[in-house]
Amino acid sequence: DTAVSQTPKYLVTQMGNDKSIKCEQNLGHDTMYWYKQDSKKFLKIMFSYNNKELIINETVPNRFSPKSPDKAHLNLHINSLELGDSAVYFCASSQGTSKNIQYFGAGTRLSVL
Amino acid sequence: SQQGEEDPQALSIQEGENATMNCSYKTSINNLQWYRQNSGRGLVHLILIRSNEREKHSGRLRVTLDTSKKSSSLLITASRAADTASYFCATDGTSFKTIFGAGTRLFVKA
Repeated sequence: DTAVSQTPKYLVTQMGNDKSIKCEQNLGHDTMYWYKQDSKKFLKIMFSYNNKELIINETVPNRFSPKSPDKAHLNLHINSLELGDSAVYFCASSQGTSKNIQYFGAGTRLSVL
Repeated sequence: SQQGEEDPQALSIQEGENATMNCSYKTSINNLQWYRQNSGRGLVHLILIRSNEREKHSGRLRVTLDTSKKSSSLLITASRAADTASYFCATDGTSFKTIFGAGTRLFVKA
């Protein structure tokens, strides 16, 4: 059983399109995250939700909108995709805040053409 | 600016050798964590060391923390080809954020 699963694993799309990435965790955690990893492997926090409440909202374009329908799910919707959005996006979860161990999904590799 | 920065950026060693990676950070922390990322996969937690601890062991891993120098090191003893991966340190900076460094890419030659 995969603890943190995200879909799709690969996403290839044209500039200007809108796309969504879904994430689900079955660990019973109350906090979930979205990270972006660029081509140099630098991992940067984008958003975090605790009990469905947004607690971290980093400086990302407002084309990115997270949604947490419940504690086990955190989706990421991206409007008007740009070339610079190409990266690997990781979902993670933890029990409590980021001071605790985070469990990561396998990542979604987004390529914008 | 980045909270955690790893050094070296890349490391290539022979199987059986020890690998040492360093991490420096800028602000006070409650704990520091090390994660491993295999190619094409998500990060996997390795070890967490609290700010009041100086050293911690887990199998072939040894982590040290020097809060006066704001630095940590990860030692992997008797490395194996399967240890080939990127290793990241992560610190719990201000608010709820975990700040990851850019990672050290370790390549262990069989």
